[in-house]
Amino acid sequence: QLQLQESGPGLVRPSETLSLTCTVSGGSISTGSYLWGWIRQAPGLGLEWIGSAYYSGNSYYNASLKSRATISVDTAKNLFDLRLSSVTVADTAVYFCVGISYYYFYMDVWGKGTTVTVSS
Amino acid sequence: QSALTQPRSVSGSPGQSVTISCTGSSSDIGDYNYVSWYQQRPGKAPKLMIFDVVKRPSGVPDRFSGSKSGNTASLTISGLQADDEADYYCCSYAGRYNLIFGGGTKLTVL
Repeated sequence: QLQLQESGPGLVRPSETLSLTCTVSGGSISTGSYLWGWIRQAPGLGLEWIGSAYYSGNSYYNASLKSRATISVDTAKNLFDLRLSSVTVADTAVYFCVGISYYYFYMDVWGKGTTVTVSS
Repeated sequence: QSALTQPRSVSGSPGQSVTISCTGSSSDIGDYNYVSWYQQRPGKAPKLMIFDVVKRPSGVPDRFSGSKSGNTASLTISGLQADDEADYYCCSYAGRYNLIFGGGTKLTVL
């Protein structure tokens, strides 16, 4: 059974880059069945898709983030990363890493989430 | 790309049925049968309840059902139980590997 675990700093300064890692266990990140993605949830608000990446390197992003997001997959270490540049207080949220069905686009594997606060 | 539209809240008594709507456009719900629904309890990660509009993952009670008509998808919960109280989110594929969520609906079991 696939399991995901987020890790990274809980506090990021405004204008800096947020960096999170999601470690995949219980299976290979190179399976062709999943896209690997990030979802976030600002305090008291709903879910927002940030972006997704395939193990081969192709990646896709929410246009509302205006090219600030980058997701990369490390098949050797069985993990994937999120980098979000030029953060503001509006990027304060719980960040979830997810496994997304490559063919049917549903998320059946979720990490527990990690809280990131943007503050000086 | 605006979020899908869900009612902010719905409520029902134990044993009753409730339906949560999720309205999108011809570019997402109307164009693809890749609608999924998630249940989220406070402080927890969301849990997949419905995928491909109508399918239930193993372990999800058959009290939960999904449907779609035009640009609107719906989640129906029958035989409401206290344990169903949670936030519910719809999600649709929107083309080019993009996903879009609804704003979420808070279900209260009276």
